[in-house]
Order: sequence, then structure tokens, then C-alpha cells
Amino acid sequence: DIVMTQSPDSLAVSLGERATINCKSSQSVFYSSNDKNYLAWYQQKPGQPPTLLIYWASTRESGVPDRFSGSGSGTDFTLTISSLQPEDVAVYYCQQYYSTPPYTFGQGTKLEIK
Amino acid sequence: EVQLVESGGGLVQPGGSLRLSCAGSGFSFSRYWMDWVRQAPGKGLEWVSRINSDGSSTSYADSVKGRFTISRDNAKNTLYVQMNSLRVEDTAVYYCARGYCSSTNCYAGLLDYWGQGTLVTVSS
Repeated sequence: DIVMTQSPDSLAVSLGERATINCKSSQSVFYSSNDKNYLAWYQQKPGQPPTLLIYWASTRESGVPDRFSGSGSGTDFTLTISSLQPEDVAVYYCQQYYSTPPYTFGQGTKLEIK
Repeated sequence: EVQLVESGGGLVQPGGSLRLSCAGSGFSFSRYWMDWVRQAPGKGLEWVSRINSDGSSTSYADSVKGRFTISRDNAKNTLYVQMNSLRVEDTAVYYCARGYCSSTNCYAGLLDYWGQGTLVTVSS
């Protein structure tokens, strides 16, 4: 199984500042045949289900603010929030959907306001 | 509007059984692959199971293989998971989620809509 490891486990950032979350997979999730990284980011606010933020490592889901961006390829990925807003307080998960199941998630990164 | 509504959760004793349902609306249910994902109290997300659009192909996490069975009824726009031989460690909120489809392809494991979840508690 592919193991997803996020860092840090928790993060406190001031409003308006940049937040950066990292995700590393134990093997590459890049398919050369279609030039895509099978890596998604989800946001889970307290008491709510997760919502899809980014897929193919860098494609924002419809309706997601452009302060959210994803980058990386192969085994190393980053979620960046360019200017933290109060509504961004949440736990963020990366997930790989490469090849056959299981489709593993990272352990989550809790983002708070400093 | 896409909606997924889970039901069937509750308290069950270890070794017992429970069947969860997930009613989909606002989209062409029969086109999409569907998944179950669970979240133990205070913990992260764990993918549980997946079923393809016509129900002919299923996959399971090792932690539930042989005990859980995923199924669907496309005529009723409903996804199910039958959970047998339940263990204390199966205690979690169970979410159903829809697999993402572009205009041309569907991608298993990429989950674009999630239900609100239903809580399963396994305890004596």
C-alpha cells in the first residue's frame, strides 16, 4: 500500500499570512501515460464532512478560492494557502488515488490561527 | 444539487451486524463509482470500500475485507454497506462519497461529493 505522510501535524499561522502543508507518498503517484499526478487535497472543517479542494495535484475544484494552490510531482506535494482567512481553519488531508485500492490518506494537518 | 444522505448507523455490540445506506440525488447515480470512507472519533480518514458504476466490481480495505460487503441499487439511487462481525475498532463516522467523473472519464478513488456521515458505535 502507498503510505502518505503529511507535515507538519499542526500549524498556526497569522491571518493574511501564508500557510504551507507538505505531503509525501511512499511511491510515485505520477502516471506518465497521461502526465497526471493522482493526488488530491481535502479540507475538513470542524463537525463537517471533508470537501475536495484540489485534484491532479494542482487543479482547484470548482468554487475553491484561488488563495488555495497545489504543487509537486512524483512523491512530494504541497498545499499552499497564500493569505490565511478565518474560514480556512480546518484539518487538511492529502490522498492518493493512484492505481488499485486502497486509496490512502495522509494523517491530516490541523491548521489554526496564530 | 448533488446530495448524499447516509442512514442506518447506531449502537451495536461486538460481533453484531449493521447495514448502512446512502441515498444519492441531484445526479445520475448509475454513472458514478461510489465509496465508503470512515473516521474514528478524533482520528483521520480511512478509505473503506469502493464499487463501480454497475456494481460488478468492488474493493475493500484489508481492515474490513471478509466482513463488509458494499452494494448498490441503481434503480433506487442507493449505496449500501453490510457490516458483519463488527469490532470495537470499527467505531467511526461512515461517509459515503461519489467518485469524480469528467466529461469523458471516471476516476476511482477521487471523491468529489461527500455525505454528512452516520455514526456507528460498536460497544458492549
